[in-house]
Amino acid sequence: GENVEQHPSTLSVQEGDSAVIKCTYSDSASNYFPWYKQELGKRPQLIIDIRSNVGEKKDQRIAVTLNKTAKHFSLHITETQPEDSAVYFCAASENYGQNFVFGPGTRLSVLP
Amino acid sequence: GAGVSQSPSNKVTEKGKDVELRCDPISGHTALYWYRQSLGQGLEFLIYFQGNSAPDKSGLPSDRFSAERTGGSVSTLTIQRTQQEDSAVYLCASSLGGGRGDTQYFGPGTRLTVL
Repeated sequence: GENVEQHPSTLSVQEGDSAVIKCTYSDSASNYFPWYKQELGKRPQLIIDIRSNVGEKKDQRIAVTLNKTAKHFSLHITETQPEDSAVYFCAASENYGQNFVFGPGTRLSVLP
Repeated sequence: GAGVSQSPSNKVTEKGKDVELRCDPISGHTALYWYRQSLGQGLEFLIYFQGNSAPDKSGLPSDRFSAERTGGSVSTLTIQRTQQEDSAVYLCASSLGGGRGDTQYFGPGTRLTVL
């Protein structure tokens, strides 16, 4: 089955710097890669996603890149702000939501 | 419209008792997922329902755990003879499913504490 790894497990950056979180997956059949943000005590919320027919997607300060050959995808946050502090989860799934697997999460701390 | 709702928000029970957790998905969503999240940990997949297909139960940790989805909408996760290690937040998520959309929308979770 699918296995998703995520690095780093914790990340501290200064406000205004960029943050990059990387995930790798094992199942070449996976074609949908969302990223979720979970603030302390709250539910995970989708922040951006990408499908396998696209190499990069950007939404304001957030971007995701996908390398299907290498089976890895990354989340990029630019101009980080304290409110970006949260746990970020990547995930991978096949068509129709099958084999939907989350990574273990990255705790991002943005220091003022 | 209304998002995914879960009840109860908190449940405290004694070891050995059975508990039922409820999830109301977004109307029209055919896919429903249950996850478990222990304190400070990631999301552990439990079970996945897609329409009328047989559910994917591969994540259920033991036969004390079971789930139903009646009428393709509301789902109930049942834990029998609860153990202290069952203490966690149980999250439900739904998506359009059926190839129409994979984005999962999470409910607020049920925090289960087994004493």
